Amino acid sequence: DIQLTQSPSFLSASVGDRVTITCRASQGISNYLAWYQQKPGKAPKLLIYLASTLRSGVPSRFSGSGSGTEFTLTISTLQPEDFATYFCQQLNDYLPITFGQGTRLDIK
Amino acid sequence: QVQLVQSGAEVKKPGSSVKVSCKASGGTFRTYGVSWVRQAPGQGFEWMGGVNPLFGTPTYSQKFQGRVSITTDGSASTAFVEVSSLTSEDTGVYYCALAFENYYDPWGQGTLVTVSS
Repeated sequence: DIQLTQSPSFLSASVGDRVTITCRASQGISNYLAWYQQKPGKAPKLLIYLASTLRSGVPSRFSGSGSGTEFTLTISTLQPEDFATYFCQQLNDYLPITFGQGTRLDIK
Repeated sequence: QVQLVQSGAEVKKPGSSVKVSCKASGGTFRTYGVSWVRQAPGQGFEWMGGVNPLFGTPTYSQKFQGRVSITTDGSASTAFVEVSSLTSEDTGVYYCALAFENYYDPWGQGTLVTVSS
């Protein structure tokens, strides 16, 4: 199975900060990586797919980059509604689909 | 836009089975694939399996093979996941999601399944 390791697991930041979350794959997955946001008690919401394509309707302060084994999610200017948990997902040809363990973003 | 609405919370005894439903409005699972994902308390997400409309037959994670069944109803507007031989380790929130080739979107609201004697 392809393992996805996110770092950091916890992140404390302030409104207006720029934050970056990393997702590393145990083997190359080209650009078949998606990022999601989840708030407590809610379903995950898609932010980015194919590593860098922003889902329609998602604010442009979210961006993604990377290919192969290393990927990043960047939030350029944190807004109050961005405090949530973020996780990555790989959808390479090789099953099973796997997920990162999540990065919890808290208000400093 | 497709929305997914799941059935309500369940409490089950060890050794029993549970069947969770996921109803699609604004589309059917004949057009889109569906996947099921589990989130155990305080844990990450586990992919259980899914159905790709191109192939029609479900694919399962090896971890759940033989104990999980994913089906759709005749109209393909509702998907189901059934898990048998439940143990406490099956406690968690079960999500369905519309499964495209490169992402899952949207997800259902989640169904809490509690396995307890």
